[in-house]
Formats: sequence, C-alpha cells, structure tokens
Amino acid sequence: SQTIHQWPATLVQPVGSPLSLECTVEGTSNPNLYWYRQAAGRGLQLLFYSVGIGQISSEVPQNLSASRPQDRQFILSSKKLLLSDSGFYLCAWSGPPTERGYNEQFFGPGTRLTVL
Amino acid sequence: AQSVAQPEDQVNVAEGNPLTVKCTYSVSGNPYLFWYVQYPNRGLQFLLKYITGDNLVKGSYGFEAEFNKSQTSFHLKKPSALVSDSALYFCAVRDWDDYKLSFGAGTTVTVRA
Repeated sequence: SQTIHQWPATLVQPVGSPLSLECTVEGTSNPNLYWYRQAAGRGLQLLFYSVGIGQISSEVPQNLSASRPQDRQFILSSKKLLLSDSGFYLCAWSGPPTERGYNEQFFGPGTRLTVL
Repeated sequence: AQSVAQPEDQVNVAEGNPLTVKCTYSVSGNPYLFWYVQYPNRGLQFLLKYITGDNLVKGSYGFEAEFNKSQTSFHLKKPSALVSDSALYFCAVRDWDDYKLSFGAGTTVTVRA
C-alpha cells in the first residue's frame, strides 16, 4: 500500500531563516506531487505541483520554492522566511492521469511551521 | 473556472442523529467531486468521490454523498453520527482534465454525546 511521509512534524523558525520541508511517498511510482498551505485551520492553498523529476509548476508567486530531486521526493524551501509563511503545510500525491483525468489526492500528516 | 461552496461553517448534531454537510459546486465541464475529513493537526483523509455512474456514492466510515446535477450539489451524509465524527470536512471539485482540486472553506462538524 502507498504511504506518504512528511518531516518535520513541527518547526519553529525565526524570521529571515531558511526552510526545508521534505515529503516522500512509498509504494507507488511516478506520482503527481503537490504542496499546499493551510492557514488558520481552514482553506487550502495550492503552492506547487509536480508531474515528474525536476518538473515544478508554481501556483502562487512568493518566497517559497519547490524541488523534486527524486521520483518520490518533494521538497519545499525558502531562503528567508517571513512571518506570513506560518501555517500548516501539507504534501499530497495522486496517480498519473487516466482516461478519466486525474485521480483523488492523498495527503501526508503535515508540518506545522511557526515563524517568529 | 471551478469552485466549491460549503454554506455552513459549523454543523452541530446529537450522536445517533443523521448528519448532513452541504456542498455546491461550479465547473465548466463534467464535475469530479470529492470529500475529505481532517482531524486536528492532521492531514486530510479521503472519504469518497464521484466520477460518474450512480448518484449515491458510498465511502469510508459509513459516509455517503449524493450527487445532484440539476442543483449542482454534492452533500455528504451519515445516517447515524458518532462523537468520533467530529472534525473538519472539505468538499473539493475539479474538471476532468484539470490536475488542480478546488477546495471549499470547510465545515466543522461537532457531534455531542
């Protein structure tokens, strides 16, 4: 069966410090990978999407970036964190599209980031 | 463009009573609809989906959802709610050829003993 891991689970960082959040998927190959941010326990904002190694689509221009160095690894980074980067970061995966389009997404446990 | 509306921020029910969480959607083509549940400080868990076929979809943990094309709705239902169903519920929609899911703002369900 497929599983998705995220770490760290919680992170407290000062403003201006760098960030690296990691997401890995097991039990599948060539997944589509997604990074979301959830603010205040509510709506989800899609940040990045990847269909393969080195292929990243950015949904929201900001000081965050994403990379996919391996098929099942997705990394969210920042060179200098802002207060507004605080939130709950969720990684998700889905299978490649079929004749019926894209399948449902499955989410990791999330990383709670607090920027002070 | 695609969008989802969850008109109720909060739903409160007594344990054993029926539970309904409302969702309406807007898409340009055929809708693919999903429900997710989120417990505090956890990721979203997939409950069920509608792609095509029967309008009544059965999912995990005794939940079901009814697709109504004329009303553009996809309400989540459970015949008898449990205290453990208390959580945040998200409806999501996408067009058939779009990778992007559009999520509603979420509905907090509280089931009292």
